[in-house]
Amino acid sequence: RKEVEQDPGPFNVPEGATVAFNCTYSNSASQSFFWYRQDCRKEPKLLMSVYSSGNEDGRFTAQLNRASQYISLLIRDSKLSDSATYLCVVNMGDTGRRALTFGSGTRLQVQP
Amino acid sequence: GAVVSQHPSRVICKSGTSVKIECRSLDFQATTMFWYRQFPKQSLMLMATSNEGSKATYEQGVEKDKFLINHASLTLSTLTVTSAHPEDSSFYICSASSLGETQYFGPGTRLLVL
Repeated sequence: RKEVEQDPGPFNVPEGATVAFNCTYSNSASQSFFWYRQDCRKEPKLLMSVYSSGNEDGRFTAQLNRASQYISLLIRDSKLSDSATYLCVVNMGDTGRRALTFGSGTRLQVQP
Repeated sequence: GAVVSQHPSRVICKSGTSVKIECRSLDFQATTMFWYRQFPKQSLMLMATSNEGSKATYEQGVEKDKFLINHASLTLSTLTVTSAHPEDSSFYICSASSLGETQYFGPGTRLLVL
Protein backbone atom coordinates (compact mmCIF):
# COMPACT_ATOMS: atom_id res chain seq x y z
CA ARG A 1 0.00 0.00 0.00
CA LYS A 2 1.33 3.44 -0.87
CA GLU A 3 2.06 5.75 2.04
CA VAL A 4 -0.03 8.51 0.48
CA GLU A 5 -2.63 7.52 -2.04
CA GLN A 6 -4.60 9.68 -4.45
CA ASP A 7 -6.89 9.13 -7.40
CA PRO A 8 -4.72 10.16 -10.36
CA GLY A 9 -7.68 11.50 -12.35
CA PRO A 10 -7.84 13.34 -14.60
CA PHE A 11 -10.84 15.25 -13.40
CA ASN A 12 -12.29 17.19 -16.32
CA VAL A 13 -14.74 19.82 -15.11
CA PRO A 14 -16.35 22.91 -16.63
CA GLU A 15 -15.58 26.38 -15.38
CA GLY A 16 -17.59 27.23 -12.31
CA ALA A 17 -17.92 23.64 -11.16
CA THR A 18 -17.15 22.37 -7.69
CA VAL A 19 -14.65 19.55 -7.52
CA ALA A 20 -13.38 17.48 -4.60
CA PHE A 21 -10.24 15.42 -4.22
CA ASN A 22 -9.55 12.83 -1.55
CA CYS A 23 -6.34 11.38 -0.28
CA THR A 24 -5.57 8.61 2.18
CA TYR A 25 -2.43 8.09 4.20
CA SER A 26 -1.14 4.94 5.84
CA ASN A 27 0.77 6.17 8.87
CA SER A 28 -1.55 6.99 11.74
CA ALA A 29 1.28 8.84 13.48
CA SER A 30 1.46 11.42 10.69
CA GLN A 31 1.61 14.91 12.07
CA SER A 32 1.16 17.46 9.33
CA PHE A 33 -0.81 17.57 6.14
CA PHE A 34 -0.72 19.79 3.11
CA TRP A 35 -2.05 20.28 -0.36
CA TYR A 36 0.43 21.38 -2.96
CA ARG A 37 -0.21 22.37 -6.53
CA GLN A 38 2.15 21.42 -9.33
CA ASP A 39 1.93 22.85 -12.81
CA CYS A 40 3.35 20.93 -15.73
CA ARG A 41 7.15 20.76 -15.59
CA LYS A 42 7.30 23.06 -12.58
CA GLU A 43 8.08 22.68 -8.90
CA PRO A 44 5.29 22.09 -6.34
CA LYS A 45 3.86 25.13 -4.64
CA LEU A 46 2.13 25.07 -1.28
CA LEU A 47 -1.60 25.59 -1.67
CA MET A 48 -2.63 25.19 1.94
CA SER A 49 -2.00 23.34 5.14
CA VAL A 50 -4.71 21.04 6.44
CA TYR A 51 -5.91 21.21 10.02
CA SER A 52 -8.15 18.90 11.99
CA SER A 53 -10.72 21.63 12.38
CA GLY A 54 -10.82 22.15 8.63
CA ASN A 55 -9.68 25.33 6.97
CA GLU A 56 -10.74 27.51 4.11
CA ASP A 57 -8.84 29.86 1.85
CA GLY A 58 -11.08 31.61 -0.62
CA ARG A 59 -12.48 29.00 -2.98
CA PHE A 60 -10.45 26.22 -1.42
CA THR A 61 -11.48 24.17 1.59
CA ALA A 62 -9.35 21.45 3.13
CA GLN A 63 -10.43 18.90 5.70
CA LEU A 64 -8.68 16.22 7.69
CA ASN A 65 -10.24 13.08 9.15
CA ARG A 66 -7.67 11.50 11.41
CA ALA A 67 -9.86 8.57 12.38
CA SER A 68 -10.25 7.52 8.74
CA GLN A 69 -6.82 8.80 7.74
CA TYR A 70 -8.00 10.84 4.83
CA ILE A 71 -7.67 14.38 3.65
CA SER A 72 -9.88 16.24 1.24
CA LEU A 73 -9.66 19.34 -0.90
CA LEU A 74 -12.72 21.12 -2.24
CA ILE A 75 -12.47 23.70 -4.99
CA ARG A 76 -15.51 25.85 -5.62
CA ASP A 77 -16.22 27.94 -8.70
CA SER A 78 -13.37 26.36 -10.67
CA LYS A 79 -11.29 28.64 -12.88
CA LEU A 80 -9.28 27.74 -15.94
CA SER A 81 -6.19 28.68 -13.96
CA ASP A 82 -6.96 25.95 -11.44
CA SER A 83 -5.89 23.35 -14.03
CA ALA A 84 -2.90 21.61 -12.48
CA THR A 85 -1.92 18.52 -10.54
CA TYR A 86 -2.84 18.61 -6.87
CA LEU A 87 -0.50 16.80 -4.54
CA CYS A 88 -1.51 15.46 -1.16
CA VAL A 89 1.49 15.75 1.12
CA VAL A 90 2.06 14.31 4.57
CA ASN A 91 4.75 14.72 7.16
CA MET A 92 5.03 11.25 8.58
CA GLY A 93 6.55 12.59 11.75
CA ASP A 94 9.47 10.19 12.05
CA THR A 95 11.77 11.28 14.81
CA GLY A 96 14.18 13.89 13.55
CA ARG A 97 12.85 13.66 10.03
CA ARG A 98 10.91 16.55 8.64
CA ALA A 99 10.77 15.36 5.08
CA LEU A 100 7.49 15.26 3.25
CA THR A 101 5.86 12.27 1.62
CA PHE A 102 4.04 13.10 -1.58
CA GLY A 103 1.11 11.43 -3.19
CA SER A 104 1.34 10.91 -6.92
CA GLY A 105 -1.13 13.71 -7.52
CA THR A 106 -4.58 14.23 -8.93
CA ARG A 107 -4.77 15.99 -12.24
CA LEU A 108 -7.47 18.63 -12.72
CA GLN A 109 -8.41 20.06 -16.09
CA VAL A 110 -10.92 22.91 -16.02
CA GLN A 111 -12.55 23.45 -19.38
CA PRO A 112 -14.17 26.58 -20.77
CA GLY B 1 10.32 36.10 0.80
CA ALA B 2 11.36 32.45 1.07
CA VAL B 3 12.84 32.09 -2.38
CA VAL B 4 14.87 29.05 -3.35
CA SER B 5 16.84 28.90 -6.55
CA GLN B 6 18.39 26.01 -8.40
CA HIS B 7 21.10 25.98 -11.00
CA PRO B 8 21.20 24.84 -13.69
CA SER B 9 17.56 24.63 -14.68
CA ARG B 10 18.35 22.14 -17.37
CA VAL B 11 21.38 20.03 -18.21
CA ILE B 12 22.18 17.53 -20.90
CA CYS B 13 25.26 15.41 -20.46
CA LYS B 14 26.94 12.32 -21.81
CA SER B 15 26.79 9.04 -19.97
CA GLY B 16 29.63 8.69 -17.49
CA THR B 17 30.03 12.35 -16.68
CA SER B 18 29.27 14.02 -13.36
CA VAL B 19 26.73 16.77 -12.93
CA LYS B 20 26.50 19.24 -10.05
CA ILE B 21 23.22 20.89 -9.13
CA GLU B 22 23.13 23.85 -6.76
CA CYS B 23 20.29 24.78 -4.45
CA ARG B 24 20.31 28.18 -2.78
CA SER B 25 18.01 29.82 -0.27
CA LEU B 26 18.11 33.46 -1.31
CA ASP B 27 16.49 35.30 1.56
CA PHE B 28 16.59 32.99 4.54
CA GLN B 29 18.93 30.61 6.26
CA ALA B 30 18.05 27.00 5.57
CA THR B 31 18.99 24.69 8.39
CA THR B 32 17.72 21.74 6.41
CA MET B 33 17.61 21.08 2.71
CA PHE B 34 15.90 18.18 0.99
CA TRP B 35 16.58 16.65 -2.39
CA TYR B 36 13.77 15.01 -4.34
CA ARG B 37 13.57 13.29 -7.67
CA GLN B 38 10.51 13.05 -9.89
CA PHE B 39 10.17 10.73 -12.87
CA PRO B 40 7.46 11.45 -15.46
CA LYS B 41 3.92 11.00 -14.16
CA GLN B 42 5.19 9.92 -10.77
CA SER B 43 5.29 11.59 -7.38
CA LEU B 44 8.26 13.34 -5.88
CA MET B 45 10.49 10.87 -4.11
CA LEU B 46 12.77 12.00 -1.33
CA MET B 47 16.39 11.15 -1.99
CA ALA B 48 18.14 12.66 0.99
CA THR B 49 17.95 15.16 3.81
CA SER B 50 20.87 17.39 4.62
CA ASN B 51 21.52 19.58 7.61
CA GLU B 52 24.08 22.32 7.42
CA GLY B 53 27.49 21.14 8.47
CA SER B 54 26.65 17.46 8.78
CA LYS B 55 26.41 14.45 6.54
CA ALA B 56 23.28 13.89 4.56
CA THR B 57 20.80 11.20 5.47
CA TYR B 58 19.90 9.12 2.45
CA GLU B 59 16.65 7.32 1.83
CA GLN B 60 16.67 3.58 1.35
CA GLY B 61 17.74 2.63 -2.14
CA VAL B 62 19.57 5.89 -2.86
CA GLU B 63 23.28 5.36 -3.34
CA LYS B 64 25.22 7.90 -1.31
CA ASP B 65 28.37 7.38 -3.37
CA LYS B 66 26.50 8.14 -6.55
CA PHE B 67 24.51 11.12 -5.31
CA LEU B 68 26.93 13.28 -3.36
CA ILE B 69 25.36 15.96 -1.22
CA ASN B 70 27.18 18.85 0.35
CA HIS B 71 25.50 21.39 2.61
CA ALA B 72 28.42 23.60 3.49
CA SER B 73 26.50 26.74 4.40
CA LEU B 74 23.07 27.81 5.55
CA THR B 75 22.21 29.02 2.07
CA LEU B 76 23.74 26.44 -0.25
CA SER B 77 23.44 22.73 -0.83
CA THR B 78 24.79 20.86 -3.82
CA LEU B 79 23.86 17.52 -5.33
CA THR B 80 26.41 15.85 -7.57
CA VAL B 81 25.29 12.99 -9.75
CA THR B 82 28.47 11.04 -10.34
CA SER B 83 29.00 8.92 -13.44
CA ALA B 84 25.52 9.70 -14.67
CA HIS B 85 23.65 7.15 -16.76
CA PRO B 86 20.48 7.47 -18.83
CA GLU B 87 18.39 6.01 -16.01
CA ASP B 88 19.42 9.00 -13.87
CA SER B 89 17.55 11.30 -16.25
CA SER B 90 14.89 12.93 -14.11
CA PHE B 91 13.58 16.14 -12.58
CA TYR B 92 15.60 16.95 -9.47
CA ILE B 93 14.01 19.35 -6.99
CA CYS B 94 15.42 20.73 -3.79
CA SER B 95 13.55 22.28 -0.93
CA ALA B 96 14.74 24.28 2.02
CA SER B 97 13.36 24.96 5.43
CA SER B 98 14.39 27.00 8.37
CA LEU B 99 13.50 25.98 11.91
CA GLY B 100 9.83 25.77 11.03
CA GLU B 101 8.05 23.10 9.11
CA THR B 102 7.32 24.84 5.85
CA GLN B 103 9.47 23.74 2.96
CA TYR B 104 10.13 26.04 0.06
CA PHE B 105 10.87 24.39 -3.23
CA GLY B 106 13.37 25.35 -5.87
CA PRO B 107 12.26 25.46 -9.51
CA GLY B 108 13.89 22.12 -10.26
CA THR B 109 16.62 20.88 -12.58
CA ARG B 110 15.90 18.69 -15.58
CA LEU B 111 18.70 16.25 -16.19
CA LEU B 112 18.98 14.34 -19.44
CA VAL B 113 21.78 11.83 -19.74
CA LEU B 114 22.48 10.67 -23.26
